[in-house]
Amino acid sequence: DAKTTQPTSMDCAEGRAANLPCNHSTISGNEYVYWYRQIHSQGPQYIIHGLKNNETNEMASLIITEDRKSSTLILPHATLRDTAVYYCIVRVGSSNTGKLIFGQGTTLQVKP
Amino acid sequence: GAVVSQHPSWVICKSGTSVKIECRSLDFQATTMFWYRQFPKQSLMLMATSNEGSKATYEQGVEKDKFLINHASLTLSTLTVTSAHPEDSSFYICSAGGDGFNNSPLHFGNGTRLTVT
Repeated sequence: DAKTTQPTSMDCAEGRAANLPCNHSTISGNEYVYWYRQIHSQGPQYIIHGLKNNETNEMASLIITEDRKSSTLILPHATLRDTAVYYCIVRVGSSNTGKLIFGQGTTLQVKP
Repeated sequence: GAVVSQHPSWVICKSGTSVKIECRSLDFQATTMFWYRQFPKQSLMLMATSNEGSKATYEQGVEKDKFLINHASLTLSTLTVTSAHPEDSSFYICSAGGDGFNNSPLHFGNGTRLTVT
């Protein structure tokens, strides 16, 4: 079973920041938090991942609470193309063989 | 960035026949690949973990004799759906990782849509 819980759906206005929350209260000390998104009928796209420090890349920022029990993915300026299902995943295992168990994700609808 | 290619992107087959799906890592070597299945309006379900040069590890409830996985090289894994039936119609997706660093992200192919008639 997935080790994360996310809201089923969210709306965001185009050009505004989208903040997607995720709870992972049973995360272990060496488990990373990964975020992927899936646009309809495509494979999931990697967004960002982190262990305990906040992370930022060209796509998004990841804010992880100090106790690591929750995190927030931030899309700073959402566009219509960011409409997708966003998955927050705690990766099982700490090596390259660690698998990703997907939960139901959050359907983000970016509106004009 | 890392690229994972799946082929074919879609396939239609008759009930009782077998279908092979290929997953290739184009610019890196993948010691481990993963196979998922996704039904409409549902999330991805992990089917099996494919390790280069050894037998795949299947998730509980996945029939290993029906879904044959071969990972003969560091850049290619195949999933063969044997004796396909209409209930096997689904979106099959592979992922691969392994640029040598711990916790390098897994990258996904664009999926194969299988329709069994």
